Amino acid sequence: DGGITQSPKYLFRKEGQNVTLSCEQNLNHDAMYWYRQDPGQGLRLIYYSQIVNDFQKGDIAEGYSVSREKKESFPLTVTSAQKNPTAFYLCASSKRGNRGHGTEAFFGQGTRLTVV
Amino acid sequence: SQKIEQNSEALNIQEGKTATLTCNYTNYSPAYLQWYRQDPGRGPVFLLLIRENEKEKRKERLKVTFDTTLKQSLFHITASQPADSATYLCALDIGTTDSWGKLQFGAGTQVVVTP
Repeated sequence: DGGITQSPKYLFRKEGQNVTLSCEQNLNHDAMYWYRQDPGQGLRLIYYSQIVNDFQKGDIAEGYSVSREKKESFPLTVTSAQKNPTAFYLCASSKRGNRGHGTEAFFGQGTRLTVV
Repeated sequence: SQKIEQNSEALNIQEGKTATLTCNYTNYSPAYLQWYRQDPGRGPVFLLLIRENEKEKRKERLKVTFDTTLKQSLFHITASQPADSATYLCALDIGTTDSWGKLQFGAGTQVVVTP
């Protein structure tokens, strides 16, 4: 079945540690995105990538890093520089579209990261 | 950037009635607007997309309207069922020709349908 797989579902991080969240898609989508969701707030864009080996910062990129070495994979690293990393992280992908036509986003099931 | 407002109070509705949710935005008008459903602890699921030149879109018991003059979209669930209970997110296109596909999301409105 086609879809997006995020792992792990739950992740615990000690302060000062870097952790990497996995996101894989088999939908053959060009674009992939990472969002962060906090209670009572909308999803906020961390990074996005429209093509392999290229990615752009979103609204809250500080303390995060990504790579896009393969079309199917877009891992997110939460570094120790991220001061408040406890949140629900969502990965998404979409087909190539153009402004005015739009394209829906397909989301993974999320990773809940907790700092202990 | 866009400011997107969705009613933060939960909408409690009786089964069979119509639920109406509001999404208001400021600044520029997006080329399109989307609605998603999110269940607790899960990723959002796409429901409907409406473009700026479309006034209304329907899908089964769902209806979306888009008023670019009022900068508002309304989302209706007709003949609501308990299974419709979830949080509904509004998302606006904030992309450009070079950064297509970028969306900005509202915080969502929780809908609770009671039998």
